[in-house]
Amino acid sequence: RKEVEQDPGPFNVPEGATVAFNCTYSNSASQSFFWYRQDCRKEPKLLMSVYSSGNEDGRFTAQLNRASQYISLLIRDSKLSDSATYLCVVNIDRGSTLGRLYFGRGTQLTVWP
Amino acid sequence: IAGITQAPTSQILAAGRRMTLRCTQDMRHNAMYWYRQDLGLGLRLIHYSNTAGTTGKGEVPDGYSVSRANTDDFPLTLASAVPSQTSVYFCASSDEAGLGTDTQYFGPGTRLTVL
Repeated sequence: RKEVEQDPGPFNVPEGATVAFNCTYSNSASQSFFWYRQDCRKEPKLLMSVYSSGNEDGRFTAQLNRASQYISLLIRDSKLSDSATYLCVVNIDRGSTLGRLYFGRGTQLTVWP
Repeated sequence: IAGITQAPTSQILAAGRRMTLRCTQDMRHNAMYWYRQDLGLGLRLIHYSNTAGTTGKGEVPDGYSVSRANTDDFPLTLASAVPSQTSVYFCASSDEAGLGTDTQYFGPGTRLTVL
């Protein structure tokens, strides 16, 4: 079983729509959680970190449910520029000095006019 | 240089050839990483380095080697390329000593095709 599972989509939504992505992780030792964004043929870039209390950055809201080992990303009022692949990322402490980031396969979003 | 650079941008390579992918960062980050990204598999860690002079194996290290002679450079070498190493390779760096809790900054990637 992969450490991080995401629905690959694709999600195709009109401008102005609200869309939600979900992600589950398998290791309860996971410590830190992130959403990265990757545009076509570009490198991944950090979108936002995910905190236990939930956090919001403009139109983006991230939530974490540790009990269910579940992370979500909500995008409100979708823009054309939101079209990208969204990567769910989890840091897992293996008990050594190095924690590792595990990346989900990504969820593809296309926003159409 | 600003951030992380990778070279070459793309490369077509004959199987059996040796190839070094270059990665340089100017942010003085301690930790550096090499990932490969394949369709349907996502990003997978090849090798990492917590600090200059140290390296470690990631999830898919076979067929690859790295070195970290200084803070800025982290080259990835394919000693004898095979077609299964066709992929997009991303180098990344972060400010903490590989704890994975800090933001990782990625280079633009190298598209490698092994024939």
